[in-house]
Amino acid sequence: NAGVMQNPRHLVRRRGQEARLRCSPMKGHSHVYWYRQLPEEGLKFMVYLQKENIIDESGMPKERFSAEFPKEGPSILRIQQVVRGDSAAYFCASSPQWADYGYTFGSGTRLTVV
Amino acid sequence: AQSVTQPDIHITVSEGASLELRCNYSYGATPYLFWYVQSPGQGLQLLLKYFSGDTLVQGIKGFEAEFKRSQSSFNLRKPSVHWSDAAEYFCASSSGGSYIPTFGRGTSLIVHP
Repeated sequence: NAGVMQNPRHLVRRRGQEARLRCSPMKGHSHVYWYRQLPEEGLKFMVYLQKENIIDESGMPKERFSAEFPKEGPSILRIQQVVRGDSAAYFCASSPQWADYGYTFGSGTRLTVV
Repeated sequence: AQSVTQPDIHITVSEGASLELRCNYSYGATPYLFWYVQSPGQGLQLLLKYFSGDTLVQGIKGFEAEFKRSQSSFNLRKPSVHWSDAAEYFCASSSGGSYIPTFGRGTSLIVHP
């Protein structure tokens, strides 16, 4: 029973390129959350998705960032035209339908923009 | 909006000593409360969680936490720390009306031999 799978583990992009981060939730989990962790900071919520729906994107930057969770396949966090300030660890978590079962995190994708 | 405060950025203890990491939340009703641990370069591992019932919660790796409504606190404790406990610890909460956990900024635990 695999946990939350994130790939790639490490991603290096040049300024102006696009970054695509993938998250496959645990089997049976229909809720996905993306968080960003900047150096020396805690986790900041970005977006909450259910299958084919964005439920809450209040933490997403208004430009260049987008997320999806299609009916089939993993959730994707997409960052267009990356800048140095996007360098961070991006974590995905998933939960079942009812949140009181808790949240399971992936190991994260560490994005470095050079 | 709810918030989670971890007042200690760094905590240093000697191996074998007891540990208490502080966490305060701001939310009127009883929130769901969590403690996670993050080792360097790794993801977050759930140590324990509280939803209702007994206010003293037992977790993995010998950790426990106590929910105190009067103090809006959910402090993490361990009676005897091991060197392998050195890591970053995050407290989180989510309210009954939102599935989105809010995290504190974390407490870095340093263990001296």
